[in-house]
Amino acid sequence: EMQLLESGGGLVQPGGSLRLSCAASGFTVSDNYMTWVRQAPGKGLEWVSVIYRGGSAYYADSVKGRFTISRDSSKNTLYLQMKGLRHEDTAVYFCARGGFTTDWYDPWGQGTLVAVSS
Amino acid sequence: QSVLTQPPSVSGAPGQRVTISCTGSGPGYDVHWYQQLAGTAPKLLIYRNTNRPSGVPERFSGSKSGTSATLVISGLQAEDEADYYCQSFDRTLGGIWVFGGGTKLTVL
Repeated sequence: EMQLLESGGGLVQPGGSLRLSCAASGFTVSDNYMTWVRQAPGKGLEWVSVIYRGGSAYYADSVKGRFTISRDSSKNTLYLQMKGLRHEDTAVYFCARGGFTTDWYDPWGQGTLVAVSS
Repeated sequence: QSVLTQPPSVSGAPGQRVTISCTGSGPGYDVHWYQQLAGTAPKLLIYRNTNRPSGVPERFSGSKSGTSATLVISGLQAEDEADYYCQSFDRTLGGIWVFGGGTKLTVL
């Protein structure tokens, strides 16, 4: 069974940094397109970033230049490094398998909450 | 504001049929649907417009025509109360992955 487990969320001050992790089981992260999606409190889903099998990465304009997606094959884990955090980055962050142009997202992790506040 | 447009809310009584629309998808791109129960992660419901993953009840079905997609839930059940999101790819905005704004389904 394919599963994803996020960790690393928490409370951080504006301008601060945080690294989210997404540990995969049942499949190999580096053999798949992998995506981060976020959901602000009471709001809808927002695509954040994708990393292709070949390593190319793409970002939403709202996080470009501040967030970096990466993966560690030895740990079968996906990451999202977040810097220069803003209040509007407050959200539950989900990782998901999938991310090519025709792809759907399945499975999803349970999510990890990032709260940006002073 | 989402590129894909969904009605904010729909409702129906148990046993009824409800439809949720998703407009604005690119004509060449598939639409996928997700169900999000309160306090949980989204779950894949329909992929590539019409396909149900293993374990999803047959009363959930999807269709797509042109730039519009539709999710149909037949024989509504209380446990179907959730938020539903459509998702696709949008090349017109430089190539990004997009979600609809979500539709809250209330089972009366």
